[in-house]
Amino acid sequence: DSGVTQTPKHLITATGQRVTLRCSPRSGDLSVYWYQQSLDQGLQFLIQYYNGEERAKGNILERFSAQQFPDLHSELNLSSLELGDSALYFCASSVLQGGIQYFGAGTRLSVL
Amino acid sequence: GENVEQHPSTLSVQEGDSAVIKCTYSDSASNYFPWYKQELGKRPQLIIDIRSNVGEKKDQRIAVTLNKTAKHFSLHITETQPEDSAVYFCAAGYGQNFVFGPGTRLSVLP
Repeated sequence: DSGVTQTPKHLITATGQRVTLRCSPRSGDLSVYWYQQSLDQGLQFLIQYYNGEERAKGNILERFSAQQFPDLHSELNLSSLELGDSALYFCASSVLQGGIQYFGAGTRLSVL
Repeated sequence: GENVEQHPSTLSVQEGDSAVIKCTYSDSASNYFPWYKQELGKRPQLIIDIRSNVGEKKDQRIAVTLNKTAKHFSLHITETQPEDSAVYFCAAGYGQNFVFGPGTRLSVLP
């Protein structure tokens, strides 16, 4: 167990819908990262937050947004969902920026 | 920004043989190079990392080497076992500039 908690583990929804994925970082970690992993693909970096502020942005679609709250948990919001958004979404946390990242177990999103 | 290439994309070895995965990076400012192992359906887990002030690091059957001049680093697994079968990701970066390679699927054949 990495100490990073992601909920829910599985999410099944329909096209056009909106979902929220939640991540609680390890105790003491200030940085949170979100990644998308499609079937048999690599880790696509989406966005990073550090102590509540957005610090880096990857290939994140405009339909996706995220935030990190004062208690350091983070949420990834996916809207107007398409079939191609079906993937495993990982959250990772680290104490500092650029340090060791510890991954959560992921949320598997299925868009039908 | 940083760009990380990883080779090979797939690798099959016989149990007991060695496996080598190579990564190159583009940004000379990168100073942290971790390797992650991801078993099927599971989370990526850090297996070893190296910082730019070190040329080599070893942990039992796993070693990583770094050539800063050439901007490449490699993962070496000796005496491979079936449980080493997984996807391995390298990464490179500094601060918030952190990029993963595309991954190498390693299969260890009994």
